[in-house]
Amino acid sequence: DTEVTQTPKHLVMGMTNKKSLKCEQHMGHRAMYWYKQKAKKPPELMFVYSYEKLSINESVPSRFSPECPNSSLLNLHLHALQPEDSALYLCASSKYPGMGGNTEAFFGQGTRLTVV
Amino acid sequence: GQQLNQSPQSMFIQEGEDVSMNCTSSSIFNTWLWYKQDPGEGPVLLIALYKAGELTSNGRLTAQFGITRKDSFLNISASIPSDVGIYFCAGLIRNTGKLIFGQGTTLQVKP
Repeated sequence: DTEVTQTPKHLVMGMTNKKSLKCEQHMGHRAMYWYKQKAKKPPELMFVYSYEKLSINESVPSRFSPECPNSSLLNLHLHALQPEDSALYLCASSKYPGMGGNTEAFFGQGTRLTVV
Repeated sequence: GQQLNQSPQSMFIQEGEDVSMNCTSSSIFNTWLWYKQDPGEGPVLLIALYKAGELTSNGRLTAQFGITRKDSFLNISASIPSDVGIYFCAGLIRNTGKLIFGQGTTLQVKP
């Protein structure tokens, strides 16, 4: 089983709304990631959680707030977003955060976010 | 920052033809990954390469990790319509889990 589950699949929110994206994996992976992907572009890393601790923040604006409640769950809290934040948000996980083998990342199906 | 140059940007081929795409980097990577992404879906892992010179197959797909550790290629043999999609190479930055993606190769297959 290499499944990473993201909810919701689609989300439309206003610029004053607060919403959350959720990600879950039950593969025992200890690294989880948020990526952002704009149309016709490759995914770009936003955050890395390693052993439930935030290890990388790629200078993401504070209107995006990640949370890792436990080793299986990853959330992305959204507040006061702008229309240019509309994108496909991808969650991924890997067994270990980048050391030797078993570091390949498995992606969820993504959340298509539209900010109006 | 680190960048991957992936080529070609797009390909339009006839069903049954073989396909080749590659990625090059000015930096060394210790792990190369190849993904396929369908519209509106997340990337799906095709092949992972961990050792310089390694040649790995997955069905009709074959990928190699360059000896210099600065490049990788992916071959698809006897293409079929379901091979249509965007193929991404990605290099893993050691000890971080961070993936650097190429710009993608869009593959279209004519039946």
